Amino acid sequence: ETGVTQTPRHLVMGMTNKKSLKCEQHLGHNAMYWYKQSAKKPLELMFVYNFKEQTENNSVPSRFSPECPNSSHLFLHLHTLQPEDSALYLCASSLRGVGYEQYFGPGTRLTVT
Amino acid sequence: QKEVEQNSGPLSVPEGAIASLNCTYSDRVSQSFFWYRQYSGKSPELIMSIYSNGDKEDGRFTAQLNKASQYVSLLIRDSQPSDSATYLCAVLTTSGTYKYIFGTGTRLKVLA
Repeated sequence: ETGVTQTPRHLVMGMTNKKSLKCEQHLGHNAMYWYKQSAKKPLELMFVYNFKEQTENNSVPSRFSPECPNSSHLFLHLHTLQPEDSALYLCASSLRGVGYEQYFGPGTRLTVT
Repeated sequence: QKEVEQNSGPLSVPEGAIASLNCTYSDRVSQSFFWYRQYSGKSPELIMSIYSNGDKEDGRFTAQLNKASQYVSLLIRDSQPSDSATYLCAVLTTSGTYKYIFGTGTRLKVLA
């Protein structure tokens, strides 16, 4: 098990629900990331936080809203999702800020019904 | 053209052989390169990074980078059945905007 944890590990939600994914890293890293992994597609970088400041938002729909209250915690708030948003959502962190080796959490398997 | 290309495989090698995994990238100004291993149903696990041309060795793994050819590879010596997984190549470019691009991965099967 890595030093990056994610909860919940599995989530089923309806299109009108609001839910949040949580990520916590115990590695003392300075940068945190959200990725989406869909079947047959490469990992897609969604958001980047460097020293708690959001530095990248890769054209992600507004129904996904990130929050980074401190360098150890990262949230992804979800609302009015679509079935095509069903995927594995992965959190990662890196030590010296963006651009270095990333360490991934176990992921949250999200199903939107 | 995809930004990071990998052969999806599966690449099948016998136990004890050398497995060679390849990755090409399109952005000439890319400066950092990473290999991850992902077992089915699990998250990616960092194997190694490489930043300059040449070879970098770590145990049974060797990463090779050729920026002129925009090519990075991963060699796995003495392949074991436990090495059977999908291997992801990732490329970082920070000129202008931050781009951390993954390939779709190569599935490796090591036959006992």
